[in-house]
Amino acid sequence: GQQVQQSPASLVLQEGENAELQCNFSTSLNSMQWFYQRPGGSLVSLFYNPSGTKHSGRLTSTTVIKERRSSLHISSSQTTDSGTYLCALESNTNKVVFGTGTRLQVLP
Amino acid sequence: NAGVIQTPRHKVTGKGQEATLWCEPISGHSAVFWYRQTIVQGLEFLTYFRNQAPIDDSGMPKERFSAQMPNQSHSTLKIQSTQPQDSAVYLCASSLGTNSDYTFGSGTRLLVI
Repeated sequence: GQQVQQSPASLVLQEGENAELQCNFSTSLNSMQWFYQRPGGSLVSLFYNPSGTKHSGRLTSTTVIKERRSSLHISSSQTTDSGTYLCALESNTNKVVFGTGTRLQVLP
Repeated sequence: NAGVIQTPRHKVTGKGQEATLWCEPISGHSAVFWYRQTIVQGLEFLTYFRNQAPIDDSGMPKERFSAQMPNQSHSTLKIQSTQPQDSAVYLCASSLGTNSDYTFGSGTRLLVI
């Protein structure tokens, strides 16, 4: 089955609202990374977060290994946050597996 | 730091032709990865190298795809006898090694007509 599952698959927000994106995994974790991708754009790393909580501006990533999950919180969303958010897990066999992504649309 | 450089940015080939995609990893990064991205399949792992040695090519279609890393400054992905279903964005990434973050290139958009 799917080793990395992301939810929700898509999300529509009004500008200013907060978003919580989830990544659940079923395999052992070496590392977890969150990426952002604009339509037709390249993957931009947001967080490298194998465990614990990290902050960057309006973004917060929390990885809880025991619960096999990682989350990405976006506060006070802006239209420029629209795009696809992907989590990527490096397993203990050193293979990197991507989730299917959350497509976020922030409306003005 | 120019990041991971992929060339060409776009490539159009006729069915049955060969396509070679290039990747220059970040200097000092020992791990290089190739992925393929389509709307239908999402991001698919193809292969990866560590210290130029092929480690895992389990995602590579065996018959027409091959990847090499002849030196630490570049890797190539070659697709022989391209087919329309090979059309995708091919992404290369590099990292310092295990337990390190990955940096992706801008990708090569391949269209097979």
